[in-house]
Amino acid sequence: ETGVTQSPTHLIKTRGQQVTLRCSSQSGHNTVSWYQQALGQGPQFIFQYYREEENGRGNFPPRFSGLQFPNYSSELNVNALELDDSALYLCASSFPDNEQFFGPGTRLTVL
Amino acid sequence: GQQVMQIPQYQHVQEGEDFTTYCNSSTTLSNIQWYKQRPGGHPVFLIQLVKSGEVKKQKRLTFQFGEAKKNSSLHITATQTTDVGTYFCGASGAGSYQLTFGKGTKLSVIP
Repeated sequence: ETGVTQSPTHLIKTRGQQVTLRCSSQSGHNTVSWYQQALGQGPQFIFQYYREEENGRGNFPPRFSGLQFPNYSSELNVNALELDDSALYLCASSFPDNEQFFGPGTRLTVL
Repeated sequence: GQQVMQIPQYQHVQEGEDFTTYCNSSTTLSNIQWYKQRPGGHPVFLIQLVKSGEVKKQKRLTFQFGEAKKNSSLHITATQTTDVGTYFCGASGAGSYQLTFGKGTKLSVIP
């Protein structure tokens, strides 16, 4: 196991609602990256946080936002949920430009 | 934005046969990482390649990074049923820590 934990494991929401997903990084890692993985696809980069600052963002709308806390844990917030937001959300902790240690993911279903 | 193409999308092999997946980019890469995701699991880091022409081996797995740093391959010799899963390459460009993943190659091994 990687030592990266995510909560919750599963979540069901309806369109228009808001959701917060949480990630605890592996001890010592100062970087957290979030990915969206649709069924049968590769992980799509949402954004990365390094020492509490956003350090890069993928092609996702502003309703996807995040935070990193002083202990390097992180949150992903998604507002105004859409059906297409249904996916596995993965966080990965690392040092910058190094191997990424993925958590087990949160399976989000939007109805 | 950066795109990474991975082929083939699926590969079915008899146990004991070899397997190769390829990853291609139109732009020069800073580094490339390979991950394995078992069904229902999360991506697990296998290797990182940084140098032009680099070749690394892990038991039956051989990883190569092209001379132009635009392509990479993962070769498995004498596949076993434990090799089943989806293999992803993740690439980052110069000056970016963002990992762009390919769509993956799903490997099935027939006993």
